[in-house]
Amino acid sequence: DTEVTQTPKHLVMGMTNKKSLKCEQHMGHRAMYWYKQKAKKPPELMFVYSYEKLSINESVPSRFSPECPNSSLLNLHLHALQPEDSALYLCASSQEGPSAVYGYTFGSGTRLTVV
Amino acid sequence: DAKTTQPNSMESNEEEPVHLPCNHSTISGTDYIHWYRQLPSQGPEYVIHGLTSNVNNRMASLAIAEDRKSSTLILHRATLRDAAVYYCILRDPGANSKLTFGKGITLSVRP
Repeated sequence: DTEVTQTPKHLVMGMTNKKSLKCEQHMGHRAMYWYKQKAKKPPELMFVYSYEKLSINESVPSRFSPECPNSSLLNLHLHALQPEDSALYLCASSQEGPSAVYGYTFGSGTRLTVV
Repeated sequence: DAKTTQPNSMESNEEEPVHLPCNHSTISGTDYIHWYRQLPSQGPEYVIHGLTSNVNNRMASLAIAEDRKSSTLILHRATLRDAAVYYCILRDPGANSKLTFGKGITLSVRP
């Protein structure tokens, strides 16, 4: 298995809703990442997990809450989002931590719309 | 991370080679040069990376200048499926090295 699987592929949520994005990989990678991508813009790093511990938080608002239950799973819990949070949310993974020696494998993303 | 400069866009013809340039004049001696591409409606895809020597894989070749201040991603025979945004990214080898995307270059392939 050489894929990163993200679910759901599309999500529409109201500003008062609570929802979660899920990401799964079975490549034995020990680093996992969340990125946010607005239309026509490059992806922006949000969070980095290394060996199931949060190692980087790029000053992301607390309405986004990441969780890494085990080495294969990464969740992003969403609460009280704003319409400007509508974007493509991408998950990625890499071997042995966020080292420059390894490439990242990305999922296809969850297209989130906040109404 | 050090900065890279890429043209905004480039056009090529199908089945011809494509050379995508990237300037990184402030690269440090230990920075790796990574290339990713993003096809429409998909997540980014790792293409290739290198440090000093030229690199080849099944997708592309990476030619790195001797002074490492520039590099070129080479697609040997462009196909319509290669139309994408290509990102050239420098990464330091530190424990918390980040993959930070710039604007990238949009490659269009003409049939």
